[in-house]
Amino acid sequence: DQQVKQNSPSLSVQEGRISILNCDYTNSMFDYFLWYKKYPAEGPTFLISISSIKDKNEDGRFTVFLNKSAKHLSLHIVPSQPGDSAVYFCAASGEDTGKLIFGQGTTLQVKP
Amino acid sequence: DTAVSQTPKYLVTQMGNDKSIKCEQNLGHDTMYWYKQDSKKFLKIMFSYNNKELIINETVPNRFSPKSPDKAHLNLHINSLELGDSAVYFCASSRRGSGNTIYFGEGSWLTVV
Repeated sequence: DQQVKQNSPSLSVQEGRISILNCDYTNSMFDYFLWYKKYPAEGPTFLISISSIKDKNEDGRFTVFLNKSAKHLSLHIVPSQPGDSAVYFCAASGEDTGKLIFGQGTTLQVKP
Repeated sequence: DTAVSQTPKYLVTQMGNDKSIKCEQNLGHDTMYWYKQDSKKFLKIMFSYNNKELIINETVPNRFSPKSPDKAHLNLHINSLELGDSAVYFCASSRRGSGNTIYFGEGSWLTVV
């Protein structure tokens, strides 16, 4: 049973446009959500996070939105750049152990 | 300067062998993890240690044994390697508790032939 889902395996956008990556979760006990970016042959790199007490968090070109009632979060990248091309993982946590549950990832391609 | 470092990065070995992957973090974190990324690219937690104490042990075969000599190190030893153990293993660390970011190492690519 997959508690965190990223239903789009891939996304292609033009440079300068907005990229929107989506993530759905099922466990209402999750209280912390993160996005990681991963290049081939490297480890996941932390990008941005949001606590369940917020509905939006912004860091430069990256904004994460959380809709708790829909159990949905999204990552917006504006403007998209070719260097943003990578696999993006959504993750959720809700235990004191800090254990993260990951989605299966979305491959973003930003075309010049 | 690497925050979470793991060695080796690539490992090719024969079935039945025993191998270890080492991990060290210099972030001052008290919690360390091993995650596995399988052929379907899912990232799943295997183990977590807090101050050398095992706090998470997911359903992992007994052939996998983590060892934490101190809170900055968490090694993964695998006995009697099987073909299905081929995967990428990521070490990670954080401060304990929800709401703390987990930082990952670069991964160890294990291929069992």
